[in-house]
Amino acid sequence: GAGVSQSPSNKVTEKGKDVELRCDPISGHTALYWYRQSLGQGLEFLIYFQGNSAPDKSGLPSDRFSAERTGGSVSTLTIQRTQQEDSAVYLCASSPRTGTYSYEQYFGPGTRLTVT
Amino acid sequence: AQKITQTQPGMFVQEKEAVTLDCTYDTSDPSYGLFWYKQPSSGEMIFLIYQGSYDQQNATEGRYSLNFQKARKSANLVISASQLGDSAMYFCAMREAGANNLFFGTGTRLTVIP
Repeated sequence: GAGVSQSPSNKVTEKGKDVELRCDPISGHTALYWYRQSLGQGLEFLIYFQGNSAPDKSGLPSDRFSAERTGGSVSTLTIQRTQQEDSAVYLCASSPRTGTYSYEQYFGPGTRLTVT
Repeated sequence: AQKITQTQPGMFVQEKEAVTLDCTYDTSDPSYGLFWYKQPSSGEMIFLIYQGSYDQQNATEGRYSLNFQKARKSANLVISASQLGDSAMYFCAMREAGANNLFFGTGTRLTVIP
């Protein structure tokens, strides 16, 4: 079946511009996560959605970052007034359910964001 | 304090040999899960193996096994019979029962030498 898809795969933007990154999770997965991976680093949690519950935004680094998930499926991560330190790979993951720590997360291929 | 520590930035192994990638973790939550992911140069994170904190036996998945030492808070990944395709970054991760997300280590780059 189809995995997690993300678009665009690459995005180059000028400092100060806004960008939108899209994630389409695996069908039927109720949990959706966004992570950021800076060059040579591990993954940093950004935000988590579960069904219709309020999202866990505890990982968002600043108020320039926001995300929404429409209809419990597709999610968009928006970065306003991009800065050079926002350059990273943004990874989306989904999971079949939550409430337990045992379900692995399935990752998309990521969006490589470069802010010039 | 770091929740996941991977002390080996890079490792080399001869093809067909076994290799152990180290991972230690820090948590006060009695319920947690430990995961290993592989990230090839293509960038996608591939799930390899899972170990629950209450699991009595070490997890195994094909050539992958997890050496789980709960008292030492370590969850080392063992890859047997290494193949050239195993060359990649490997990340250890943990999810606590009280958290929504995975905490990742900084990864180990494994290079398999023919």
